[in-house]
Amino acid sequence: NAGVTQTPKFQVLKTGQSMTLQCAQDMNHNSMYWYRQDPGMGLRLIYYSASEGTTDKGEVPNGYNVSRLNKREFSLRLESAAPSQTSVYFCASSRSNQPQHFGDGTRLSIL
Amino acid sequence: RKEVEQDPGPFNVPEGATVAFNCTYSNSASQSFFWYRQDCRKEPKLLMSVYSSGNEDGRFTAQLNRASQYISLLIRDSKLSDSATYLCVVRTSYDKVIFGPGTSLSVIP
Repeated sequence: NAGVTQTPKFQVLKTGQSMTLQCAQDMNHNSMYWYRQDPGMGLRLIYYSASEGTTDKGEVPNGYNVSRLNKREFSLRLESAAPSQTSVYFCASSRSNQPQHFGDGTRLSIL
Repeated sequence: RKEVEQDPGPFNVPEGATVAFNCTYSNSASQSFFWYRQDCRKEPKLLMSVYSSGNEDGRFTAQLNRASQYISLLIRDSKLSDSATYLCVVRTSYDKVIFGPGTSLSVIP
């Protein structure tokens, strides 16, 4: 029972490099989310997708792009990584009005 | 103003104490509410949903006041294992889900 799977779990990038964080869920959830969590802070919503084919900005979308590839997968892309994007990234999914289920997180460091 | 605000904490309480966390939200159209706990920057885990009539799950009681846009969590008979960060979560319309900054709880022997 995989739930929400995030890859990779850890990544180190150099400033200016690009990368895509992958997220997949096997619970047939309509909604998917990307959050970032900086040390000592709460989770901040980057982007979310309420259904396949739609995406919306959250609280901190600048510097990121997303793709809802299909109902299962929601990827987050950093086109030109900056040190300020060093963080732990969490993906989540849910049915409408139901609690979210989270992946284990991706720990991303940008040098 | 942030969409979801919580007591800044941290809360340090002895075992057996009762502790209450408060949360306010700014969007009056918010539809559903939850409390999550998070341990050592692991993924957040659902503690309980919050219903309009209030609800209880063992030592935990959640209350919602829609008129005041206020949510609370009460923990009775605190255990060492309750030490964690407690996150207030609000779902607005269109399925946007916002987390509060969290309140840290340390239960001391």
